[in-house]
Amino acid sequence: NAGVTQTPKFRVLKTGQSMTLLCAQDMNHEYMYWYRQDPGMGLRLIHYSVGEGTTAKGEVPDGYNVSRLKKQNFLLGLESAAPSQTSVYFCASSLSGIRTDTQYFGPGTRLTVL
Amino acid sequence: SQQGEEDPQALSIQEGENATMNCSYKTSINNLQWYRQNSGRGLVHLILIRSNEREKHSGRLRVTLDTSKKSSSLLITASRAADTASYFCATDGERGAQKLVFGQGTRLTINP
Repeated sequence: NAGVTQTPKFRVLKTGQSMTLLCAQDMNHEYMYWYRQDPGMGLRLIHYSVGEGTTAKGEVPDGYNVSRLKKQNFLLGLESAAPSQTSVYFCASSLSGIRTDTQYFGPGTRLTVL
Repeated sequence: SQQGEEDPQALSIQEGENATMNCSYKTSINNLQWYRQNSGRGLVHLILIRSNEREKHSGRLRVTLDTSKKSSSLLITASRAADTASYFCATDGERGAQKLVFGQGTRLTINP
């Protein structure tokens, strides 16, 4: 099992450009999450999904869109990148709800917006 | 808003010593989890403790939970260089919430 994978690992964008981050999991997990991690801020939830075809907003959803067309994939889109979106992005998945389940994290995508 | 807040923010100890990190949170929880993050990597789950549990062990890890004080502690005994990492607590916050809220983490450095 590969677990949770993320592509790309690194990316540099110019302000206003768009891009999509891909997260894939091969554990048949229902729940998937996108976080951003900034120095001194810990992890903040951007969007999450409780199943194929569903998405929900997290703590910091502005400027991002997501899609979960297939159970194993969760895409995070930036339509018009801004320097404030420079961060490390982590995807995670869990089998079901968070009450008893652990989250499995991908290796992260380091994004720089100039 | 921050639910879990770790203390201290940074901790440096000698190999073989014990390391204790604390986490405080604000709202009622169903469970609290601890994760480790090695530099440049994703988070790895260490241990989950439920709100009706007071202490839990896993290898060299010992977690305590005091719901009356809304706090938890993570103890790593006989530390090793490989334990150098950041440690985060995460809570489920509001009842029924389908998301975890992470603290800012404690950066632990084990000196050889």
